[in-house]
Amino acid sequence: DAKTTQPPSMDCAEGRAANLPCNHSTISGNEYVYWYRQIHSQGPQYIIHGLKNNETNEMASLIITEDRKSSTLILPHATLRDTAVYYCIGLTETGGGNKLTFGTGTQLKVEL
Amino acid sequence: NAGVTQTPKFRILKIGQSMTLQCTQDMNHNYMYWYRQDPGMGLKLIYYSVGAGITDKGEVPNGYNVSRSTTEDFPLRLELAAPSQTSVYFCASSSRTGGRYQPQHFGDGTRLSIL
Repeated sequence: DAKTTQPPSMDCAEGRAANLPCNHSTISGNEYVYWYRQIHSQGPQYIIHGLKNNETNEMASLIITEDRKSSTLILPHATLRDTAVYYCIGLTETGGGNKLTFGTGTQLKVEL
Repeated sequence: NAGVTQTPKFRILKIGQSMTLQCTQDMNHNYMYWYRQDPGMGLKLIYYSVGAGITDKGEVPNGYNVSRSTTEDFPLRLELAAPSQTSVYFCASSSRTGGRYQPQHFGDGTRLSIL
């Protein structure tokens, strides 16, 4: 699975869009990009994932560059409850389950 | 629908003691996982299971054992507790439908201190 690089911390004003970058320059062709977040030491929560195309769900949007070497998670209208550590994870699906390899993530702080 | 349930939520052990961390899920997921998280770090995979009766080691299995006798339960056993095992332990589960894995669901964790 690809090594991912994320900034250690970011700040965002409440109501504004939060754009969290992730570099995964060694990603392989069949490797997905997953995003999870962890709020205040709770269990990680799944946000979104994608392979090549941009994805959107009720929580966020995922923009993947054409060369797939980087991606951006977008929280369109950040709230205080979005303050969390966000993890970008490269994942190759094998027969042995979708085992996740977590880095240290980005601490997002949403402020008034 | 309870999802993934872990017990206990907190525990303090003495060095050399043993204990079992319980994990159960009610979603009929075949795949289950145990992770540990040290302060300021990401989660690391300890053991995982692809179905009842089948388990395998993850990244940091030393000092732990697991079993999977049913689909629902995946207990993690510490035989001889050591201070290095002080951590937060998370259990997760997932399924596979149409050949694709579904995202993992996590429990709320067990906070374990070894003194």
